[in-house]
Amino acid sequence: DAGVIQSPRHEVTEMGQEVTLRCKPISGHNSLFWYRQTMMRGLELLIYFNNNVPIDDSGMPEDRFSAKMPNASFSTLKIQPSEPRDSAVYFCASSFMGGSNYGYTFGSGTRLTVV
Amino acid sequence: SQKIEQNSEALNIQEGKTATLTCNYTNYSPAYLQWYRQDPGRGPVFLLLIRENEKEKRKERLKVTFDTTLKQSLFHITASQPADSATYLCALVSSGGYQKVTFGIGTKLQVIP
Repeated sequence: DAGVIQSPRHEVTEMGQEVTLRCKPISGHNSLFWYRQTMMRGLELLIYFNNNVPIDDSGMPEDRFSAKMPNASFSTLKIQPSEPRDSAVYFCASSFMGGSNYGYTFGSGTRLTVV
Repeated sequence: SQKIEQNSEALNIQEGKTATLTCNYTNYSPAYLQWYRQDPGRGPVFLLLIRENEKEKRKERLKVTFDTTLKQSLFHITASQPADSATYLCALVSSGGYQKVTFGIGTKLQVIP
């Protein structure tokens, strides 16, 4: 397996534009997580899907953020409109059975810069 | 409020010595505690898990302890090597609900040859 695949690796966009981040989890994993990482706040959970259903979206900052998981092999995180404070590294992670016993497998992340 | 604390300053250690990283937490009753390694430009990589009823866990040169009374975990790397240089994150897994994983901010370890 190629691991968790995220695209793009880097994204530079202007304030106000729509940004879509993509994630392909590991085949067979039934849990998917979106995290945001900054120097000041570390890794913050944005949303958790189990069997393609959103279970916990309490970390989604505001209505500008939305996430979907239309099937077991694909998820998107969308920011519309983007703002400079959204600049961060966004990670997707997947696991089997929630990851408590086996840990999460993370992708390489998308570094988002909003100017 | 719930809080996870890791040494925010980098830890520099001589090659061959034992590196010890600390993870303290407050207002948590975790079921598990996990440790991850993160290299620059990469996602975290899972290393070890220790349960609340376990005192110690070992994996090759790694050792983790978990003291639920002190609310602390220690992460040791014995015979440290320059290749061990990375940021190490502790993560607490809650005991209720879907076992949410919350990460500390990480400690950067630099092993000096």
